[in-house]
Amino acid sequence: AQTVTQSQPEMSVQEAETVTLSCTYDTSENNYYLFWYKQPPSRQMILVIRQEAYKQQNATENRFSVNFQKAAKSFSLKISDSQLGDTAMYFCAFMKPGTASKLTFGTGTRLQVTL
Amino acid sequence: DSGVTQTPKHLITATGQRVTLRCSPRSGDLSVYWYQQSLDQGLQFLIHYYNGEERAKGNILERFSAQQFPDLHSELNLSSLELGDSALYFCASSVATGLHYEQYFGPGTRLTVT
Repeated sequence: AQTVTQSQPEMSVQEAETVTLSCTYDTSENNYYLFWYKQPPSRQMILVIRQEAYKQQNATENRFSVNFQKAAKSFSLKISDSQLGDTAMYFCAFMKPGTASKLTFGTGTRLQVTL
Repeated sequence: DSGVTQTPKHLITATGQRVTLRCSPRSGDLSVYWYQQSLDQGLQFLIHYYNGEERAKGNILERFSAQQFPDLHSELNLSSLELGDSALYFCASSVATGLHYEQYFGPGTRLTVT
């Protein structure tokens, strides 16, 4: 079974600064997907970014980018130019593609963006 | 707005009762997933349906059941409710073909069991 670990329960960053959230995972699979989801106070789960394990290039979506280290089983999220609207819980998630492609989530990191 | 709808938004009921949560996936999505988010268990996968067929079960209690109808909407039935069933229940949908594996979440149903 796959496990996802987020070792930072809470983080804080000032507006316009850069912050990196950590995620490690354990799997014996070679083909899989990794995701970061954001959950703001509204509780909505919002997909932030996706990374396919077979791709060496790190995914980027505007101010969000990942550092995917397959050998180290590490998948960190970097948020550049942090904005107050980035305040949320961030969940790292693992998926093995196939007919039963469930998401396995980490415990989340609460990010507070301050003025 | 993800395009996934869930009703009701909030539900308050008593122990021992039965409730039904409803989910409509995004247009074109064949897969529906149910997740439970609670303070002590975090986000946990419950069950997955694809085009009307059950594909996988996670940590779903025997008191819980689900189905996906021909129009692809899904219902999660929770019975003999206990205080510990209080949680946020999410439905997510995906196309689940080819490389499109992203799951898009609905706004959730907050269930409070008193």
